[in-house]
Amino acid sequence: DQQVKQNSPSLSVQEGRISILNCDYTNSMFDYFLWYKKYPAEGPTFLISISSIKDKNEDGRFTVFLNKSAKHLSLHIVPSQPGDSAVYFCAATRGGADGLTFGKGTHLIIQP
Amino acid sequence: ETGVTQSPTHLIKTRGQQVTLRCSSQSGHNTVSWYQQALGQGPQFIFQYYREEENGRGNFPPRFSGLQFPNYSSELNVNALELDDSALYLCASSDGKLHYEQYFGPGTRLTVT
Repeated sequence: DQQVKQNSPSLSVQEGRISILNCDYTNSMFDYFLWYKKYPAEGPTFLISISSIKDKNEDGRFTVFLNKSAKHLSLHIVPSQPGDSAVYFCAATRGGADGLTFGKGTHLIIQP
Repeated sequence: ETGVTQSPTHLIKTRGQQVTLRCSSQSGHNTVSWYQQALGQGPQFIFQYYREEENGRGNFPPRFSGLQFPNYSSELNVNALELDDSALYLCASSDGKLHYEQYFGPGTRLTVT
């Protein structure tokens, strides 16, 4: 039973436009949500997080939105740049010693 | 400030053997977690160590075990290797304040034949 789902295996966006990556979850006990970016042959790199008590968090070009009633979060990247091409993982945790629960990832491709 | 490092980069083992993977956490981080990432999947939580004690575990059998040392290094040990253990093994560290923000190493690619 997948508790964190990323339903789009891949997404292609033109350079300069907005990239929107989506994530759904089923466990209402999750307290924190995170986005990671992964390049080939590297470990995941932390991008941005949001607590369940907030509905938006912004860091430069990256904004994460959380809709608790829909159990849905999204990552917006504006404007998209070629270096943003990577696999993006959504993750969630209840905190404490629970570890992170990851989705399967979305491969974002930024077209010139 | 150094990041998280892992060794070796790649490893090939035979079914039934035992393997030890190593990780050096980011300086000052007292929590280390290990994850298994199979091909085409997201990382899956194996266990977490805090101040040298295991304090959290995912859905992995006891043949997956670990150690954490005072010098910010840690080990993942897997006994009686199975073919399905072939995966990328990731180590992640975090500090006590924002423990959920974990910083990952590059991983060790384990192949079991």
